[in-house]
Amino acid sequence: EAGVAQSPRYKIIEKRQSVAFWCNPISGHATLYWYQQILGQGPKLLIQFQNNGVVDDSQLPKDRFSAERLKGVDSTLKIQPAKLEDSAVYLCASSLVRAGELFFGEGSRLTVL
Amino acid sequence: AQSVTQLGSHVSVSEGALVLLRCNYSSSVPPYLFWYVQYPNQGLQLLLKYTSAATLVKGINGFEAEFKKSETSFHLTKPSAHMSDAAEYFCAVSVRGGADGLTFGKGTHLIIQP
Repeated sequence: EAGVAQSPRYKIIEKRQSVAFWCNPISGHATLYWYQQILGQGPKLLIQFQNNGVVDDSQLPKDRFSAERLKGVDSTLKIQPAKLEDSAVYLCASSLVRAGELFFGEGSRLTVL
Repeated sequence: AQSVTQLGSHVSVSEGALVLLRCNYSSSVPPYLFWYVQYPNQGLQLLLKYTSAATLVKGINGFEAEFKKSETSFHLTKPSAHMSDAAEYFCAVSVRGGADGLTFGKGTHLIIQP
């Protein structure tokens, strides 16, 4: 069974530029999560989707971050414009059902200069 | 709101020694508790989880954890450390039956000395 796929693995941009991350969850998984993991900290939930609807985006900085999950499968997380403090690893996770085990991708590491 | 505190950002043990990673939680409702492991440049992998059944939970790779409500703790143990156990370990809590996203602690880096 293929795992959660994320791309790109690494991205370096300058502040005020934009960036987008892509996530393909495990086939059939209805719930998808985006987490932000800053160096030395635990992952922080940014947004949770159930199929293509948003369940929780209370910690998403909506002035610069946006996310969508079209057709309830793939998801894209966008940052525009990026700030230095956005440097982090962005982890995507999926689960079969809303209370099920989370499976994580390898993450996308963003460096903002 | 729920939270997790992991005591010790770094823990060093000798190969073959007992591993003990500490986790305390705060939750106003009965929690679901999890331990995840993260190897360098990889995503997180579930080690074990507590979901209000048996208080002693066994996981993969010989790890186990005990839920102690009176101490609001969920410490992770392994009787004998192996070099391959060197990694970052995260404790996490969820409420509402685990239906919502997890709240993670800051992590503990486990170092295994030969």
